[in-house]
Amino acid sequence: EDQVTQSPEALRLQEGESSSLNCSYTVSGLRGLFWYRQDPGKGPEFLFTLYSAGEEKEKERLKATLTKKESFLHITAPKPEDSATYLCAVRVSGNTPLVFGKGTRLSVIA
Amino acid sequence: DARVTQTPRHKVTEMGQEVTMRCQPILGHNTVFWYRQTMMQGLELLAYFRNRAPLDDSGMPKDRFSAEMPDATLATLKIQPSEPRDSAVYFCASGLVRGAYEQYFGPGTRLTVT
Repeated sequence: EDQVTQSPEALRLQEGESSSLNCSYTVSGLRGLFWYRQDPGKGPEFLFTLYSAGEEKEKERLKATLTKKESFLHITAPKPEDSATYLCAVRVSGNTPLVFGKGTRLSVIA
Repeated sequence: DARVTQTPRHKVTEMGQEVTMRCQPILGHNTVFWYRQTMMQGLELLAYFRNRAPLDDSGMPKDRFSAEMPDATLATLKIQPSEPRDSAVYFCASGLVRGAYEQYFGPGTRLTVT
């Protein structure tokens, strides 16, 4: 069974304290790994897609990386407005929809 | 600024009542998804459509849930009869099965069944 596991479940950082969120997956035939941000009371917002090991993508203070077994979302010098739940999802071979992890709740304290 | 819209945003109903949730996907997207989100289970896929045809609804309780796309601009999710365990946030998402395959989510319908 395809599985996506995110860790930690919750992370509390001081403003400016860099850290990383982890998404590990056990799927056959990865066709893409997706990161989303979800604010309270809103739908998930698309951030990045990664396709192959070694690929990296950046957006402001966020950088996503991918290996053959996991992806990291690195947050550099976070600000309080980066507080949100970050969701990871994978697309496997074939015509299948995304499989989502349960997310990491990030709180950045000023 | 194209976005997925959902109505209603909030719904409170009594057990046994019918609930209908509506979604307008982004114009030009050919795939529509219905998800349910709870604290315990996270995001669960209920059903999805491609070019208005249902592809998979195995995530839905068949006896009470139904999903349809009467046209390309409207997707509906119905629950009849509703039960307290159906209380959750229901999201619609749309996307293109081409290239990147990103999904774009609506704001959700928060359903409370008492």
